[in-house]
Amino acid sequence: GNSVTQMEGPVTLSEEAFLTINCTYTATGYPSLFWYVQYPGEGLQLLLKATKADDKGSNKGFEATYRKETTSFHLEKGSVQVSDSAVYFCALSEGDSSYKLIFGSGTRLLVRP
Amino acid sequence: GAVVSQHPSWVICKSGTSVKIECRSLDFQATTMFWYRQFPKQSLMLMATSNEGSKATYEQGVEKDKFLINHASLTLSTLTVTSAHPEDSSFYICSASPGRYPTRKADTQYFGPGTRLTVL
Repeated sequence: GNSVTQMEGPVTLSEEAFLTINCTYTATGYPSLFWYVQYPGEGLQLLLKATKADDKGSNKGFEATYRKETTSFHLEKGSVQVSDSAVYFCALSEGDSSYKLIFGSGTRLLVRP
Repeated sequence: GAVVSQHPSWVICKSGTSVKIECRSLDFQATTMFWYRQFPKQSLMLMATSNEGSKATYEQGVEKDKFLINHASLTLSTLTVTSAHPEDSSFYICSASPGRYPTRKADTQYFGPGTRLTVL
């Protein structure tokens, strides 16, 4: 079945460091890919998405590129801030119109001043 | 906009008792609501999907008599864990969508902050 694998955390960085959180997926067909972020005490929020191969999703300085050849959707940010400390979830849906999300296990990011 | 709340945020109960968790959409009408379960260091697993006024659709392996879902209004869904046991201890998360399952896209879901259930 379809699945998502994320790197285990926590990831601890200093402010202004470069961030990469790895995400790979297994899926049949042409899934859409998502990154969600969960700040302490809040619900998951959609951070960015990509719906087809080679698409790049971006938001708030974060980027991820849909790589079909490597089945990956790694999250990157050039310069993290303390306010980026949160849990990040990679997810896929089974096609652009599907309601069902399949999540990775989440990666906690801690950014120190 | 698009805020979803859950109540309570955490609950501790004795084995054999039932626990009700509420999920509310505060500023939009949630035609569809979803219930997820998350074990420590594991991913969110979809338990069930419900449209307002209809019976919930449960994922394979989820006991519908154990996890009762009611979606009686466009702003409220409840999950009742009946005769809870320690293995039901988990983090329960709801999400809400203004669209009607199964036609809406996945990224229209707005998530609540979750409820941590501990069964002693």
